[in-house]
Amino acid sequence: ELKVEQNPLFLSMQEGKNYTIYCNYSTTSDRLYWYRQDPGKSLESLFVLLSNGAVKQEGRLMASLDTKARLSTLHITAAVHDLSATYFCAVRPYGGSQGNLIFGKGTKLSVKP
Amino acid sequence: GAGVSQTPSNKVTEKGKYVELRCDPISGHTALYWYRQSLGQGPEFLIYFQGTGAADDSGLPNDRFFAVRPEGSVSTLKIQRTERGDSAVYLCASSLTFTRGVETQYFGPGTRLLVL
Repeated sequence: ELKVEQNPLFLSMQEGKNYTIYCNYSTTSDRLYWYRQDPGKSLESLFVLLSNGAVKQEGRLMASLDTKARLSTLHITAAVHDLSATYFCAVRPYGGSQGNLIFGKGTKLSVKP
Repeated sequence: GAGVSQTPSNKVTEKGKYVELRCDPISGHTALYWYRQSLGQGPEFLIYFQGTGAADDSGLPNDRFFAVRPEGSVSTLKIQRTERGDSAVYLCASSLTFTRGVETQYFGPGTRLLVL
C-alpha cells in the first residue's frame, strides 16, 4: 500500500525566514504534485514533478523531486504572511490510473510577522 | 472562466438518509474525480470518470457509495443509508485528459456533509 508522509505537519515561522517541507512516499511513483489549500477553500495546484531531479520554482516556493530517495521537498524562501496555508503533496503510484492520487496529511504553515 | 462548482456547499442530514452531491466540471474537461477529505487529513480518492464511464472506482469505501456522469459533464455522487462516519468534505476535480502529458486536476470548493 502506498503511503505518503509529510513533515512537519505544523510549521510556524517568522516572515523572512527559510524552511523546507518534506514529502516521503513508500513506493514507485511516476509523478508528484504539490497543492495549496487556504482555510475553507479548495485545493490549488502549485507544481507537478515528473522526473528524478526535477526542480520547479514559483515565487518564493521551490519544489524538487528525488525519485531514488522517494522524496520531494518544498522550500520556502523569505516567507511572507500570504504563504500561510496548508500544503499537500500527492503521489500517483506508478502504473496507477490517472485519478488515483494519494495525498499526504498536509503541512499547516503559519507565517507570523 | 468558471471553475469547478459543487452543490450544495453544505449538507446536513440524519443517519440513514440518502444524499446526492453534484459537481459541475470546467467546460471541456473530460476527466472528473471525486475525493473525500476528513478533518485534518488529505483528500482521499473515491472515483475517477473518463467521459461517461468510471475508469477507476477503487476508492469507493462500500456499496453505499455510487457516482454517475451520464452525459460526460455533470456528475452526481450518491450516498445511501448515510452513517456518521460519512461526515467529511467531498471534493470534486476535473482535468483535460492530457495537458502536455500532465493532467492537472482543478478542484471545486467542496460539499461539507454532516451526518447527525
